[in-house]
Formats: sequence, C-alpha cells, structure tokens
Amino acid sequence: EIVLTQSPGTLSLSPGERATLSCRASQSVSSSHLAWYQQKPGQAPSLLIYGASTRATGIPDRFSGSGSGTDFTLTISRLEPGDFAVYFCQLYDSSPTFGQGTKVEIK
Amino acid sequence: QVQLQESGPGLVRPSETLSLTCTVSGFSINNGYYWGWIRQTPEKGLEWIGSIYPTGTTYYNPSLKSRITISVDTSQNQFSLRVKSVTAADTAVYYCARSSAGFYYSEYWGQGTLVTVSS
Repeated sequence: EIVLTQSPGTLSLSPGERATLSCRASQSVSSSHLAWYQQKPGQAPSLLIYGASTRATGIPDRFSGSGSGTDFTLTISRLEPGDFAVYFCQLYDSSPTFGQGTKVEIK
Repeated sequence: QVQLQESGPGLVRPSETLSLTCTVSGFSINNGYYWGWIRQTPEKGLEWIGSIYPTGTTYYNPSLKSRITISVDTSQNQFSLRVKSVTAADTAVYYCARSSAGFYYSEYWGQGTLVTVSS
C-alpha cells in the first residue's frame, strides 16, 4: 500500500505570498493518478488539480501542480483570502488514498 | 450543473446498519462515471469507502469490504451505501461523489452528512 505524506502540516502565510505544498508518495506513482483538493471548514473537498498538473474547471491559474515519481507539489502563486483552507492530495493505487492534509493559515 | 445530496439517519446504534442514499441531479447516473462514498474523520482523515458503476459493478476499499454494500437505482438517479455492524469508529462525515474512470479524481461531491454511532 502506497502512503502519501503531505508537508508541512501547517503553513502560515500572508495574503499575496506564495504557498508551496508537498505531497510525497512512499513509492513511485503515475502522475496521471495524482489529484489535489481544497477543503474549507464545513464544506466538502473541492477538486483543484488532476493528473498532477491539470487544473479542474474554473480553477484560477494561480494554482499549479507539478511533480513526478514520488514528489508532487501544489503551488499557489499569490494567496488570496479565500485560499486559506486545508489542501489534500489524492492518489489512485489499488484504491484511492488521501494525504493527511496541509492547512494554509493566515499569518 | 451536477449536484449530489446525501440523506439518511444522523445517529446509528452500535452493531446496527448505517444506510445512506445519494441523490444526483443535473446528470443521469446512466451516462457513466463512477459513483462512490468517501468518509472523513479528524483521526483518519479522508477514507475512500467504495464506488459503483451504473452497470452495478462495485469497487470496495479492502479494509471495509466485509461490511459494506453499495447499490444503484438508476430509475431514481440514486445510489446507496450500507455499512453493517457499525462501531464508534464508523462515526464520520460521509460524502458521496462522482469520480473519473480509474478513480483518479472526484470532481463533484455532496455537501456531506455527519453520522454518529452511539447508543
């Protein structure tokens, strides 16, 4: 079973700053199997990125995904107030599995 | 606009069966995609429970397989989850979602429903 580890656990930043979130798999995976979600309090996760780097419909281009093999990154180029949330990566191996999340909070 | 809505009891007694239904609007389940359930707890985070294809083919999380059943009613545009022999560990927010082929991502989610297992 592949394990996903997200880091850092919490990222404290100010609006306008750049956020870099990491998702590391315990073994090499296909980038087409990697997705990122945003979750705000009391809401369901919302798809941001799939295939490691393809933005979902309606997602602004300040969100970008990259990576391959075991290391994947979600970058938010300039944080806006609505971007402070928890972010999860998801991988499909033998079944879908999620990382534990990174909370992006206002500094 | 594809929308999903979970419904079912918010409280289930230990050892009993948890039953939830997801009603889909804005898209016919018969048109494809995979329809599934994901739950979330503070302790374990997000956990995929299982999915079903409109033909009735099911895919289950191996760790839950012995206790879960997912079914589909295309005439009602709904799919359902049953978890038997529940314990406090099954207390969670349960989401229904539409997933891509291969379960690579879930683009549409319900708002989620909290199910508490308690006597």
